[in-house]
Amino acid sequence: DAGVIQSPRHEVTEMGQEVTLRCKPISGHDYLFWYRQTMMRGLELLIYFNNNVPIDDSGMPEDRFSAKMPNASFSTLKIQPSEPRDSAVYFCASSPTTGGNQPQHFGDGTRLSIL
Amino acid sequence: AQSVTQPDIHITVSEGASLELRCNYSYGATPYLFWYVQSPGQGLQLLLKYFSGDTLVQGIKGFEAEFKRSQSSFNLRKPSVHWSDAAEYFCAVGSRGGYNKLIFGAGTRLAVHP
Repeated sequence: DAGVIQSPRHEVTEMGQEVTLRCKPISGHDYLFWYRQTMMRGLELLIYFNNNVPIDDSGMPEDRFSAKMPNASFSTLKIQPSEPRDSAVYFCASSPTTGGNQPQHFGDGTRLSIL
Repeated sequence: AQSVTQPDIHITVSEGASLELRCNYSYGATPYLFWYVQSPGQGLQLLLKYFSGDTLVQGIKGFEAEFKRSQSSFNLRKPSVHWSDAAEYFCAVGSRGGYNKLIFGAGTRLAVHP
């Protein structure tokens, strides 16, 4: 069974450019989470969806960040315009059902470098 | 509010030695507890989870963890560490209120000396 798939694995771009990160959750999982990992701040939850609906976006750092989930098999995290401080590893995770007892399954992440 | 504390940022052990990674949580009821491992350049992989029942849970790769309610702890253990266990380990707590949201600790980076 395929795991969570993220693309691209690495992205290097210049400040001010738009960046789009993509995620395909595990089939049948109805929760999707976006995280950011940095040395300074550790693992931060940015936003999560349930049945394609955003539930909590309080972790999104600024209006420059936006996330969408147009269908059950695809989500994007967009940064526009990008800044050097956005450099981090971004993870997508998915989990099935509800109740707080289902573990999250993580993708391998996108390593983003903003020059 | 829920929180997770991993007191040790870095731990170094010799190959073959035993290992214990500490995790303390703050939660008003019996939480769901998880340990994840992250190898360099990879995502987080679930090692084990505790929901209820037996307080000693077994996981993958020879790891186990013990839930101690009186100490609000969920420490991860392995009797004999292998060089391939070098990675970062994250403890996490999940709420019983739904939505599968997890609160992660800051992580413990494990180095293994040959």
